[in-house]
Amino acid sequence: AQSVTQLDSQVPVFEEAPVELRCNYSSSVSVYLFWYVQYPNQGLQLLLKYLSGSTLVESINGFEAEFNKSQTSFHLRKPSVHISDTAEYFCAVSDSKTSYDKVIFGPGTSLSVIP
Amino acid sequence: GAVVSQHPSWVICKSGTSVKIECRSLDFQATTMFWYRQFPKQSLMLMATSNEGSKATYEQGVEKDKFLINHASLTLSTLTVTSAHPEDSSFYICSARDTWGTEAFFGQGTRLTVV
Repeated sequence: AQSVTQLDSQVPVFEEAPVELRCNYSSSVSVYLFWYVQYPNQGLQLLLKYLSGSTLVESINGFEAEFNKSQTSFHLRKPSVHISDTAEYFCAVSDSKTSYDKVIFGPGTSLSVIP
Repeated sequence: GAVVSQHPSWVICKSGTSVKIECRSLDFQATTMFWYRQFPKQSLMLMATSNEGSKATYEQGVEKDKFLINHASLTLSTLTVTSAHPEDSSFYICSARDTWGTEAFFGQGTRLTVV
């Protein structure tokens, strides 16, 4: 069975400062990895995903995450945050390439951007 | 990307009544859909996996007689909360994986309040 750990439950950061949200996973097989963002009272939006190939993946709004197999990590980073980045961020894992496997979520990290 | 529509987005019901939540894949067929529950300030907890044409698979601790799942077609799964009580108040989110099974798409969620 797979699991996801997000070590930081809350991360306050000043506007325009860099941020890193940490994610570690455990799985006995190869994985797909995801970062989702949830704004207050809304559903989830996919931020970025790692399926295969390049270990560094990027989103359209400046976030990036790097898959590190040896450290079983998939940390999310942004060099300069904006107020609009304030949200809940969930790291997630799926350990199969079929459509039948569930996505398991980490506990989430609440990012608060301070003006 | 693929679109998953969830309805209603919010519902208030009296204790003891039943509530049905619909989850539709609008532009793709989903043989498998997933139902999650999210308490305030917490992560998404998988409740059950809904399989088209067969019985749902429930996670440990989830009452299958209370949370009835029906997946009658390749584009529709329903979750019925039977005899709802205030402790069932929560945010319910469905998801479906696309044909290639590489990504899970989420509905916008349903906020259930039982009074």
